[in-house]
Amino acid sequence: KAGVTQTPRYLIKTRGQQVTLSCSPISGHRSVSWYQQTPGQGLQFLFEYFSETQRNKGNFPGRFSGRQFSNSRSEMNVSTLELGDSALYLCASSGTPNTGELFFGEGSRLTVL
Amino acid sequence: AQSVSQHNHHVILSEAASLELGCNYSYGGTVNLFWYVQYPGQHLQLLLKYFSGDPLVKGIKGFEAEFIKSKFSFNLRKPSVQWSDTAEYFCAVILYSGAGSYQLTFGKGTKLSVIP
Repeated sequence: KAGVTQTPRYLIKTRGQQVTLSCSPISGHRSVSWYQQTPGQGLQFLFEYFSETQRNKGNFPGRFSGRQFSNSRSEMNVSTLELGDSALYLCASSGTPNTGELFFGEGSRLTVL
Repeated sequence: AQSVSQHNHHVILSEAASLELGCNYSYGGTVNLFWYVQYPGQHLQLLLKYFSGDPLVKGIKGFEAEFIKSKFSFNLRKPSVQWSDTAEYFCAVILYSGAGSYQLTFGKGTKLSVIP
């Protein structure tokens, strides 16, 4: 069974640009969550999607958005990039609702210059 | 707001030493607790979980954790560490929101370095 796949793995952007990150969950998993990981703040929850609906959102500005498609694949977008957005963005999928058993991808490492 | 505290930022042990990583959470309701591990260059993976029942839970690779409700703690233990246990360990608590939604709140992680 293939794991959670995130693309791209690495990317470099400049301030003011926008970025779109993609996540393909494990086959059959309908819940997808996104987390931002930085050395200073650790893992912070961005949002969670289930059946194309955003069910929960963390404390991030509106520049951070996401969506989920009918095949459960998800994308997140960050607009007007700031230096502080440099981080590892992790996607996780879950096949068992509401248990917190997440399967993480390897992440997309974003560097903002 | 709930929070998760991990006491140690970096722990260095020699092989065969015993390990205990502290985790405390602040949340008054029913909690589900987790330890996740991130080996160098690999993705985060579930080490063990506590939902209910026996407060001593066993996970993969010889790890165990004890839930002590009165202390709001969920400490991770291993009797004898190996070099391959070198990784970053994250404690997490699940918070259930309305409409079936949930989010995991993670601690900031503890890096474990095991010296051969």
